[in-house]
Amino acid sequence: VHLVESGGGLVQPGGSLRLSCAASGFIFDDYAMHWVRQVAGKGLEWVSGISWNNENIAYADSVKGRFTISRDNAKNSLYLQMDSLRPEDTAFYYCVKDAYGSGVEIFDNWGQGILVTVAS
Amino acid sequence: QSVLMQPPSVSGAPGQRVTISCTGSNSDIGAGYAVHWYQQLAGTAPKLLIYINNNRPSGVPDRFSASKSGTSANLVISGLQAEDEADYYCQSIGVFGGGTKLTVL
Repeated sequence: VHLVESGGGLVQPGGSLRLSCAASGFIFDDYAMHWVRQVAGKGLEWVSGISWNNENIAYADSVKGRFTISRDNAKNSLYLQMDSLRPEDTAFYYCVKDAYGSGVEIFDNWGQGILVTVAS
Repeated sequence: QSVLMQPPSVSGAPGQRVTISCTGSNSDIGAGYAVHWYQQLAGTAPKLLIYINNNRPSGVPDRFSASKSGTSANLVISGLQAEDEADYYCQSIGVFGGGTKLTVL
């Protein structure tokens, strides 16, 4: 299993950023996928998850209404559209594979993470 | 959202046994939801260590075990080794504990 995030960087408060995750080494459309973030030196926070067939999508309260998760099974890719970014969204963002297709939330494989910095 | 509580730090000498607790509530662990544990070595991404209460993925040594009772869960590391020094997180229904830093003395 290989998960590679891209699209991070520096953005001003109120701005937007789109993270991508390229997946390989497994049958992508069999599994749910998630984004988990971690402020440097702090703990883990689940951000959003999407089922294998796009039918079940969930967000943490802290990002609801601002972030949008999506996937393209034909491209083995996961995305996170982040709008109205705030300084408190600054963190490493991990692309994470679920052990199941939906509803279980066991994070069995993680990408290396990508840094998103929201600052003026 | 529920909150899972972990001690900020634990320590032990090589060869010893250490326990990391994870305390939840009747909304998460106490409601029967499974608990999973992750290990994060310094500067690396987290790794699944234990899933569904006490199952180890392939490659995880049997020195790592876990249990669940009521509204809490415990991760036990037996025969502590230097390479076990890391941060450990419990997780249930998408919520993570605050993490515990294990120091090997």
